[in-house]
Amino acid sequence: AQSVTQPDIHITVSEGASLELRCNYSYGATPYLFWYVQSPGQGLQLLLKYFSGDTLVQGIKGFEAEFKRSQSSFNLRKPSVHWSDAAEYFCAVGASNNDMRFGAGTRLTVKP
Amino acid sequence: ETGVTQSPTHLIKTRGQQVTLRCSSQSGHNTVSWYQQALGQGPQFIFQYYREEENGRGNFPPRFSGLQFPNYSSELNVNALELDDSALYLCASRPAGAGTYEQYFGPGTRLTVT
Repeated sequence: AQSVTQPDIHITVSEGASLELRCNYSYGATPYLFWYVQSPGQGLQLLLKYFSGDTLVQGIKGFEAEFKRSQSSFNLRKPSVHWSDAAEYFCAVGASNNDMRFGAGTRLTVKP
Repeated sequence: ETGVTQSPTHLIKTRGQQVTLRCSSQSGHNTVSWYQQALGQGPQFIFQYYREEENGRGNFPPRFSGLQFPNYSSELNVNALELDDSALYLCASRPAGAGTYEQYFGPGTRLTVT
């Protein structure tokens, strides 16, 4: 069965610093991969997605992610973090049309 | 364009009671899924509806049931509430058409069972 691991429960970065959030997935075939962001008390907002093609995908709010099949990873990056990026980030894998598995999330704190 | 909406925002119920949560899908979306998000965890897939029929289910007991209506709105019903059912319940809809797998989430309903 497909699964997602986000190794970092909590990450703190300074405003303006670069960011990388890790995501590892387990799935036998080519997965559909997603990153979502959740602000406190809110639903999930889609940041970006990977289905096929170029392994470096661009998303909203200046985020990008790179799919590496050999490492079963789909890490999220941002070159310069803003205070408004503080939130919970979830990586998800969709292995079929009717199921999406989420990681436990990484909470991002941004220091001024 | 209106996004996914859910009602109510918050709900408090007593153990053993029944609850109905509602969701209105985004325009043009014909598939709706429900997720349970316990505090400090990622969302867990409950089930999905397509064309008013359940076409996928996660590891949740039968007391979790749902409906999808012709206008693509949806309900989640939970019977015999347990304390562990306290969570944020998220509804997500997916656009119609082949090759569309991303889901768009509503703000959620916070259910507290006492």
